[in-house]
Amino acid sequence: QPALTQPASVSGSPGQSITISCTESGSDVGGYKYVSWFQHHPDKAPKLLIYDVTNRPSGVANRFSGSKSGNTASLTISGLQSEDEADYFCCSYVGSSTRYVFGSGTKVTVL
Amino acid sequence: QVQLVESGGGLVKPGGSLRLSCAASGFTFSDSYINWIRQAPGKGLEWVSFISSSGSDIYYADSVKGRFSVSKDNAKNSLYLQMNSLRAEDTAVYYCTRETLGCFDLWGRGALVTVSS
Repeated sequence: QPALTQPASVSGSPGQSITISCTESGSDVGGYKYVSWFQHHPDKAPKLLIYDVTNRPSGVANRFSGSKSGNTASLTISGLQSEDEADYFCCSYVGSSTRYVFGSGTKVTVL
Repeated sequence: QVQLVESGGGLVKPGGSLRLSCAASGFTFSDSYINWIRQAPGKGLEWVSFISSSGSDIYYADSVKGRFSVSKDNAKNSLYLQMNSLRAEDTAVYYCTRETLGCFDLWGRGALVTVSS
């Protein structure tokens, strides 16, 4: 079963760009089927930012973008804003009875 | 308003039982796949269970198989998670989520379950 590894924390100044990685490892690497990214502010419902590696739902700012290279998916936040300070986590569909695995989560700090 | 709202969390002793509910509104619940996902304190997210739109297909994580049971009442726009034989490691915030296109596009705010003597 795949495991998804994210950096524990990433920081940046307002207006800068930051990138959060999500690296797949383990058996049965599935080539990142349906990778998605979520933003989670404390005591709020997590919010979908990116689905299918690169797609952005309607209503999500185009400052958020997703990409993939090899076994690493990435979320880039451009023009960092104070309200972007939150936890971010990736998710991959692994199918069958296991369904989904999640990344370990990354805390983004806006300096 | 499109939303999911969990309820029923609380403090329970090891070996005890608890039932979580999830109330849906603003969308066609009967057409929706729903999952339970949890996050233990200081830990990452863990997928717990899946139920298909009709309730005919159900899956559980190995960590809860045989102890947890999920059900869906489309007439009441509600989802339930019956948790039995609870353990300390089941302590977590439990989220109700809607699944579509291989991801979760709608989440509730979560319900805290604490298993402690």
